[in-house]
Amino acid sequence: DAGVIQSPRHEVTEMGQEVTLRCKPISGHNSLFWYRQTMMRGLELLIYFNNNVPIDDSGMPEDRFSAKMPNASFSTLKIQPSEPRDSAVYFCASSLGEAKNIQYFGAGTRLSVL
Amino acid sequence: AQSVTQLGSHVSVSEGALVLLRCNYSSSVPPYLFWYVQYPNQGLQLLLKYTTGATLVKGINGFEAEFKKSETSFHLTKPSAHMSDAAEYFCAVSDHTGFQKLVFGTGTRLLVSP
Repeated sequence: DAGVIQSPRHEVTEMGQEVTLRCKPISGHNSLFWYRQTMMRGLELLIYFNNNVPIDDSGMPEDRFSAKMPNASFSTLKIQPSEPRDSAVYFCASSLGEAKNIQYFGAGTRLSVL
Repeated sequence: AQSVTQLGSHVSVSEGALVLLRCNYSSSVPPYLFWYVQYPNQGLQLLLKYTTGATLVKGINGFEAEFKKSETSFHLTKPSAHMSDAAEYFCAVSDHTGFQKLVFGTGTRLLVSP
């Protein structure tokens, strides 16, 4: 069982650059979540997909952030342009069936925007 | 809106001592309650959950938590701490409807000394 796979594990970029974070959920899971973790704000839900469709994106901070899920086995979170305040650990999580609050997390991507 | 409050950002115990991590919730409906654990450089993983039924819930690695409605609490305990328990612990709440959004507390870092 491979678990949720995120790439890259670490990303360092300069302000203004585009950043793309990737996630492969657990096979068969039909819900996918993107979270951001910072010291100041803790763990925040950014967006939730169900069956590849975005259901709730109220946590996406601004238009610079976008997320896609083109198929059941892949999702991306893009930041364009990136800013230093976007520096955080970004987690992807997936869940199965109706138990959407039983989530399996990836190891995260640590993003540093200089 | 649902929320959880974790008392103490850091808790230090000696190996073999009792572990007690505190969590209080706020919810207008009977909540679902969770404890997730995050080991260094890893994603969160589910430790235990309360949905309905028995108020004392047992989880992995010898942890348990008791749902006390009268105190709006869901404290996490372990009789005897082990060095491998050193991690960050998150209490979370969700409701029964919609996509059962998880709302996380700010986390408590458990330090275990020999």
